[in-house]
Amino acid sequence: GQSLEQPSEVTAVEGAIVQINCTYQTSGFYGLSWYQQHDGGAPTFLSYNALDGLEETGRFSSFLSRSDSYGYLLLQELQMKDSASYFCAVNTGGFKTIFGAGTRLFVKA
Amino acid sequence: EPEVTQTPSHQVTQMGQEVILRCVPISNHLYFYWYRQILGQKVEFLVSFYNNEISEKSEIFDDQFSVERPDGSNFTLKIRSTKLEDSAMYFCASSESGQGYEQYFGPGTRLTVT
Repeated sequence: GQSLEQPSEVTAVEGAIVQINCTYQTSGFYGLSWYQQHDGGAPTFLSYNALDGLEETGRFSSFLSRSDSYGYLLLQELQMKDSASYFCAVNTGGFKTIFGAGTRLFVKA
Repeated sequence: EPEVTQTPSHQVTQMGQEVILRCVPISNHLYFYWYRQILGQKVEFLVSFYNNEISEKSEIFDDQFSVERPDGSNFTLKIRSTKLEDSAMYFCASSESGQGYEQYFGPGTRLTVT
């Protein structure tokens, strides 16, 4: 089967750094994406890693290790508006993307 | 900024009825997708579409489902005979690249089957 594992919930304080991990087991792998979803909203693309290493986009960074089937999303200088669900997603090839169950991030003042 | 649009925002239908959910992808995108999300659960892949044909479909996308690009702008998802368990948020997405990189999601259609 295909599976993506990520923590169900993470809580952090405003201004802190938080890391959301994702491990995957899929039949194919083209890349790992991260999406943010606020309650009642649509998923919004954050980042994509096809190769090993760190990708940085402003306060958000994403890391991938293909040999470990592992990636993480790093959020720095947390703000209240970062409270949302974060999904890792694997493109398994052939235009199919599998999403993880999501990590709900609570940012406290 | 270009965006994916979906209509209607909310559809209520009776079990056994047919529904058509509509999407207008971003104009220069070539790859289109439908996903569903049952309340509080993860986003589930239904189907991808490229060059006027289905590229991939999931186990969920059975014979009750079909997709179509009837003209140069719309992309539709039809459910022929709705069941109670089809109640969910349905998201359309589009991308420039077919490798799943940066998919742009529409706001979704909430389908309620009674």
